[in-house]
Amino acid sequence: QKEVEQNSGPLSVPEGAIASLNCTYSDRGSQSFFWYRQYSGKSPELIMSIYSNGDKEDGRFTAQLNKARQYVSLLIRDSQPSDSATYLCAVNKRGGYQKVTFGTGTKLQVIP
Amino acid sequence: DVKVTQSSRYLVKRTGEKVFLECVQDMDHENMFWYRQDPGLGLRLIYFSYDVKMKEKGDIPEGYSVSREKKERFSLILESASTNQTSMYLCASTGSSYNSPLHFGNGTRLTVT
Repeated sequence: QKEVEQNSGPLSVPEGAIASLNCTYSDRGSQSFFWYRQYSGKSPELIMSIYSNGDKEDGRFTAQLNKARQYVSLLIRDSQPSDSATYLCAVNKRGGYQKVTFGTGTKLQVIP
Repeated sequence: DVKVTQSSRYLVKRTGEKVFLECVQDMDHENMFWYRQDPGLGLRLIYFSYDVKMKEKGDIPEGYSVSREKKERFSLILESASTNQTSMYLCASTGSSYNSPLHFGNGTRLTVT
């Protein structure tokens, strides 16, 4: 079982719709969760971070964390063509050295 | 704003050459990381460092070594480059808190021929 799993996609949504991206993780000791956006040929950039169960909203983005079910999701409201990118889920475990593990990413395509 | 700088954007090397990839960060971060990214495999951790002269193996350390002589600089070394090391290499840094996100450099696209 992979430590962090994401559906590779592509996930296609029409412009203006809600895009829902999901991520599951295997280690219950995981404490910090991050969503990064990566455009083709570019390096990842942080979109959202979440540490507690529940929802965290920032503009059009909402991160959701459920530690009991070991999943974290990212919702993008009013999706725009500029949101088309690969979204990477990353997980950091508490205790010992910091070691951030990434999922393989979900490719999102927003259709105008 | 955190800046992580990788010395080369594109690099072409021959099989068997010794290759140095350099990374410098300007935020006094304790932790630095080297990842490689390949299609379908995502970001895989090669090595990381939590302090000067300290290093830990990541998930795929074979064929690589690292050096951290100063806090701001973390170097990745390919002792004898091979074609299967052709990849995008990403350096990242973060602070001491587990809630601190990674800050990435622009990446080095290495091609080994």
